[in-house]
Amino acid sequence: GDSVTQMEGPVTLSEEACLTINCTYTATGYPSLFWYVQYPGEGLQLLLKATKADDKGSNKGFEATYRKETTSFHLEKGSVQVSDSAVYFCALKKNTGNQFYFGTGTSLTVIP
Amino acid sequence: EAEVAQSPRYKITEKSQAVAFWCDPISGHATLYWYRQILGQGPELLVQFQDESVVDDSQLPKDRFSAERLKGVDSTLKIQPAELGDSAMYLCASSLPIGGRTEAFFGQGTRLTVV
Repeated sequence: GDSVTQMEGPVTLSEEACLTINCTYTATGYPSLFWYVQYPGEGLQLLLKATKADDKGSNKGFEATYRKETTSFHLEKGSVQVSDSAVYFCALKKNTGNQFYFGTGTSLTVIP
Repeated sequence: EAEVAQSPRYKITEKSQAVAFWCDPISGHATLYWYRQILGQGPELLVQFQDESVVDDSQLPKDRFSAERLKGVDSTLKIQPAELGDSAMYLCASSLPIGGRTEAFFGQGTRLTVV
């Protein structure tokens, strides 16, 4: 079945360090891919998305490229800030049925 | 900016009691989702509506959980009776049903604690 596998955390980085959170997916057809962020006690917020192969989603300094050949959608940021501390979820959405599949989340803590 | 509204934000209930959560999706969003999120895990779909119809409730524990969206707008999720293992965050989300390219918008969730 369709699924998302993402890098397990927790991840702890110093401010201004580089971030990569790995995400791979299994799906039939051509899903859309998303990264969501969740701050403590809050719901999920869309961070970025890509809807077809080779698309790059970007927002707030974060980027991810839809790689069909490696079925991956890794999240990257060149210089993290304390305010980036949160849990990050990779997700896919099938083009039929409107169903989402979420990864288990990766907790990021950025220390000053 | 349009938001998905959920209430209450927090709910503490005793085991075996009934509890209900309410969700008002973004206006015009025909697809509505209820997810359960256990601490430290990703959201798990409980039920998905397209307008007033249930599209997927395969993971909904139907012996104790029920969900409705009578007029295809707001929705209620009910648990009766609540069990200790139901303690979790309950998230509502909505999206436009335009192919597979549209994202889901989430509410702030209801944190349920069963004691």
